[in-house]
Amino acid sequence: NAGVTQTPKFRVLKTGQSMTLLCAQDMNHEYMYWYRQDPGMGLRLIHYSVGEGTTAKGEVPDGYNVSRLKKQNFLLGLESAAPSQTSVYFCASRNVRDRAQNGYTFGSGTRLTVV
Amino acid sequence: SQELEQSPQPLIVQEGKNLTINCTSSKTLYGLYWYKQKYGEGLIFLMMLQKGGEEKSHEKITAKLDEKKQQSSLHITASQPSHAGIYLCGADMAGTASKLTFGTGTRLQVTL
Repeated sequence: NAGVTQTPKFRVLKTGQSMTLLCAQDMNHEYMYWYRQDPGMGLRLIHYSVGEGTTAKGEVPDGYNVSRLKKQNFLLGLESAAPSQTSVYFCASRNVRDRAQNGYTFGSGTRLTVV
Repeated sequence: SQELEQSPQPLIVQEGKNLTINCTSSKTLYGLYWYKQKYGEGLIFLMMLQKGGEEKSHEKITAKLDEKKQQSSLHITASQPSHAGIYLCGADMAGTASKLTFGTGTRLQVTL
């Protein structure tokens, strides 16, 4: 089925460890996003990309890096995980040519715990 | 500061009652999206509003965007336990092109 796929779905990290979250979309969408969701905070934008090879900072970029080497993939990296990065991470993609109904497609989320 | 304010937080209603959730911004909203989220799950798209005064309905849920395009409301008629969850508004806002800004979410509980 077409959509946004996030891997892994769950992960527990120790403080200081590194990891990469993968987001893949098969809809040929131009824009891709990484959000984090914490209790009572809604979703906050970490980084986003408006095209292959381009990335930009969002509202809460510190401690994260991203790469978009291929149009269909958007990777979120944590170089040295901290307990404050315990959160649920959502990836989204957007078809900027058709915003009529639902321009954004969200993945099912990655639940990350840093101990 | 939160650019999109949602109220109330949280919201507890008795089954069968009507309810309204509001989403307010100080900036013009170029696109306003409503999502529903069950605890621990992803976002389910409900509706998108773009034009001032626009109103859309789906089953028992109606969403409106005011004429000034700075406030939206989500109204549920005759609430059911299946309506329980977190309702999130997200918006394309003036000065934040290409990015969806979210409100804090409203947790809705429907009691029997």
